[in-house]
Amino acid sequence: DIQMTQSPSSLSASVGDRVTLTCRASQSISNYLNWYQQRPGKAPNLLMYAASSLQSGVPLRFSGSGSGTDFTLTISSLQPEDFATYYCQQTYSAPPYTFGQGTKLEIK
Amino acid sequence: QVQLVESGGGLVKPGGSLRLSCAASGFTFSDYYMSWIRQAPGTGLEGISYMNSGGTKYYADSVKGRFTISRDNAKNSLYLEMNSLRAEDTAVYYCAGGDGHYGAMSDWGQGTLVTVSS
Repeated sequence: DIQMTQSPSSLSASVGDRVTLTCRASQSISNYLNWYQQRPGKAPNLLMYAASSLQSGVPLRFSGSGSGTDFTLTISSLQPEDFATYYCQQTYSAPPYTFGQGTKLEIK
Repeated sequence: QVQLVESGGGLVKPGGSLRLSCAASGFTFSDYYMSWIRQAPGTGLEGISYMNSGGTKYYADSVKGRFTISRDNAKNSLYLEMNSLRAEDTAVYYCAGGDGHYGAMSDWGQGTLVTVSS
């Protein structure tokens, strides 16, 4: 099974900050990597697919990069609504696809 | 707009059974790749079962042999039959779907809580 490891597990930041979240796969997954945002008490929401493609309706301050085993999600200028938990998901291997353990982004 | 609405969650005793349903609207359900993803209290996401538009089914090892995914395209509905439930199956269960592009789940329901306890 492909394991996904996110770092850090939690991160404190301020409105307006630029933050970068990291996701590492246990083997190469090409660009089969998606990012989701989950606000407390809500269902996850797709942000990025194919590592760097922005899902329709997602603000342009979100960007993704990476290929192979190392991936990043960057938020260029944090807004209050961005404080949430972020999950990466690999879709390279056959389903069920594995998620990372999540990065909780908190207000400093 | 796309809408996924789960139902069927509740409290069940260990060893019991439950059937979850997911009613879909706002898109061509038969074209969608559908899944059940769960989240135990205070933990992350776990994909447990997937079914593509062609009807192929996939299961996580944690539920294989106990859970069955199915879909009724005529009724725009997805189901999860859960048998031999265990305490560790306690979670919010989400119905999610996408067009299959990179396996991304672009649409999610609000989730339904399943609690397995005596």
